[in-house]
Amino acid sequence: GQQVMQIPQYQHVQEGEDFTTYCNSSTTLSNIQWYKQRPGGHPVFLIQLVKSGEVKKQKRLTFQFGEAKKNSSLHITATQTTDVGTYFCAGRDYGQNFVFGPGTRLSVLP
Amino acid sequence: NAGVTQTPKFRVLKTGQSMTLLCAQDMNHEYMYWYRQDPGMGLRLIHYSVGEGTTAKGEVPDGYNVSRLKKQNFLLGLESAAPSQTSVYFCASSFRRENTGELFFGEGSRLTVL
Repeated sequence: GQQVMQIPQYQHVQEGEDFTTYCNSSTTLSNIQWYKQRPGGHPVFLIQLVKSGEVKKQKRLTFQFGEAKKNSSLHITATQTTDVGTYFCAGRDYGQNFVFGPGTRLSVLP
Repeated sequence: NAGVTQTPKFRVLKTGQSMTLLCAQDMNHEYMYWYRQDPGMGLRLIHYSVGEGTTAKGEVPDGYNVSRLKKQNFLLGLESAAPSQTSVYFCASSFRRENTGELFFGEGSRLTVL
């Protein structure tokens, strides 16, 4: 079945440094979503990517969808302590439900 | 507007006991989902529903049953709890799946099976 992997599993950064997490699917995706989960909280939707090579920005966050629609990345510029949490990608195979990656846990040291 | 509400938030069971988790959404969403979250494994889909009266199996359905008698409610049942079912359970709903609507999650239910 479809598998979604994320790297790294953990990332510790100093406040102000950049952060990137990568998401890779074993199958071609119709679209991909990204979620953020704060410690002790629930996942919250960030964005959805649909088109091959799509790039979307939300303030300091930049999301990319690979040309082959099998990978994606989330880049945070100049991290802040409010960015702490686990970032999940969720890939949807054609006709299937979303499959979540294991997540990347980000900690930001002030 | 409460969004997605899960009850109970915490529960401790003994092996073999049964229980039901309730999920309620007030957004008139068609689709509802139950996930479990375990450390290092992300969210895995247990069962889902595409409308009132319908249910379908997800990735890890064994040991669980669900019902969607009303559009706004989605119940997850454990008939005979096992320690392997110790997890955090999240309910989610979405407006439409075909156009990949975003998932709205409840706050989670932490279940411990002794």
